[in-house]
Amino acid sequence: SSELTQDPAVSVALGQTVRITCQGDSLRSYYASWYQQKPGQAPVLVIYGKNNRPSGIPDRFSGSSSGNTASLTITGAQAEDEADYYCNSRDSSGNHLGVFGGGTKLTVL
Amino acid sequence: EVQLVESGGGLVKPGGSLRLSCAASGFTFSSYSMNWVRQAPGKGLEWVSSISSSSSYIHYADSVKGRFTISRDNAKNSLYLQMNSLRAEDTAVYYCAREDFDWSRTLNWFDPWGQGTLVTVSS
Repeated sequence: SSELTQDPAVSVALGQTVRITCQGDSLRSYYASWYQQKPGQAPVLVIYGKNNRPSGIPDRFSGSSSGNTASLTITGAQAEDEADYYCNSRDSSGNHLGVFGGGTKLTVL
Repeated sequence: EVQLVESGGGLVKPGGSLRLSCAASGFTFSSYSMNWVRQAPGKGLEWVSSISSSSSYIHYADSVKGRFTISRDNAKNSLYLQMNSLRAEDTAVYYCAREDFDWSRTLNWFDPWGQGTLVTVSS
């Protein structure tokens, strides 16, 4: 079982806003990073920390964090945003082990 | 162009061994921590192991501790994963990923990732 909890599936209408959340005790001490994975492809970093976007990632992707919850928001979702999204952080043991959330499948309707 | 290319995957019998490699290019390999992350068929991502830039700090997921060994050769810009005593549940695509940190070490991220190499453990 994952120490980071994500909703398994979320849907959003084309052009609308969707928030994907990630919950875990370790998020009180560590920031999360977010990855997009499309079928048959390697994951791609989309957000890291409070709200940092790598170059090439559209500004409709944003991040936030509060307490034990990190969130990825897509404002004006596009068809190409349909993918699996994973959060990542450290585990809560303090041993610097990595942990991923179970992933959220985003469907754009 | 920053690039990571994995190799070494294949079909192996339970109890067998396999060594994965990850060739890095386009950045100063010796300055970065590196990680292995795997994904079983149809499942989510699972962090496997990390190694610091100088190999001073190494960490493993409980699921592979004692069976897998991560290493690197900075002179060859290469990362390795020696996998022993393989089990059916180790079947997965294995990705290598470069890790970066913020100054406080409360934030880490993986970018880029390789394309992955498939390991199948089956008799």
